[in-house]
Amino acid sequence: KAGVTQTPRYLIKTRGQQVTLSCSPISGHRSVSWYQQTPGQGLQFLFEYFSETQRNKGNFPGRFSGRQFSNSRSEMNVSTLELGDSALYLCASSLAPSGVTDTQYFGPGTRLTVL
Amino acid sequence: AQSVTQPDIHITVSEGASLELRCNYSYGATPYLFWYVQSPGQGLQLLLKYFSGDTLVQGIKGFEAEFKRSQSSFNLRKPSVHWSDAAEYFCAVGAEDDYKLSFGAGTTVTVRA
Repeated sequence: KAGVTQTPRYLIKTRGQQVTLSCSPISGHRSVSWYQQTPGQGLQFLFEYFSETQRNKGNFPGRFSGRQFSNSRSEMNVSTLELGDSALYLCASSLAPSGVTDTQYFGPGTRLTVL
Repeated sequence: AQSVTQPDIHITVSEGASLELRCNYSYGATPYLFWYVQSPGQGLQLLLKYFSGDTLVQGIKGFEAEFKRSQSSFNLRKPSVHWSDAAEYFCAVGAEDDYKLSFGAGTTVTVRA
């Protein structure tokens, strides 16, 4: 079974631009979570989607948004990029009808650099 | 709110020696506890998890962890490390019907020959 796929793997943007990251979950998984990883703040939860519904959202500004499609693929969007948005963005998928009790499988991440 | 503390930022261990990584959590209810490993340039891989039952949990790659409610700890151990165990290790906590994991800051493990 193929793992979680994230595209692109690397991105370079400039301040003020916007960016869209994509995540394809493991086949059959309907929950997709997004995390931001930085050296200073560590791993922080962004949001989680299940069957196209956002069930939880982390403490991030409104510039960070996401969505999930009917095939469970998910995208996250960051508008008006700031230097501090430079990070590794990780996506995780699980069967998870009931939350974290199902194992989350992480993708390799998208490395975003904001110049 | 739940939180996780990993007191050790960096640990160096000799190949073949034992390894113990510390994790303390703060959570009001029964926590769901996890250990993940991240190799350079990779995503996170689940080593083991604890939900209930036997407090000593066996995971992949020869790792085990022990849940101690009285100490709010979930320490990870391996009896004999291999050079391939060099990586960053994250402890995480979640709750039933919650949809997020809260991670510790991570412990980087260096294995010397």
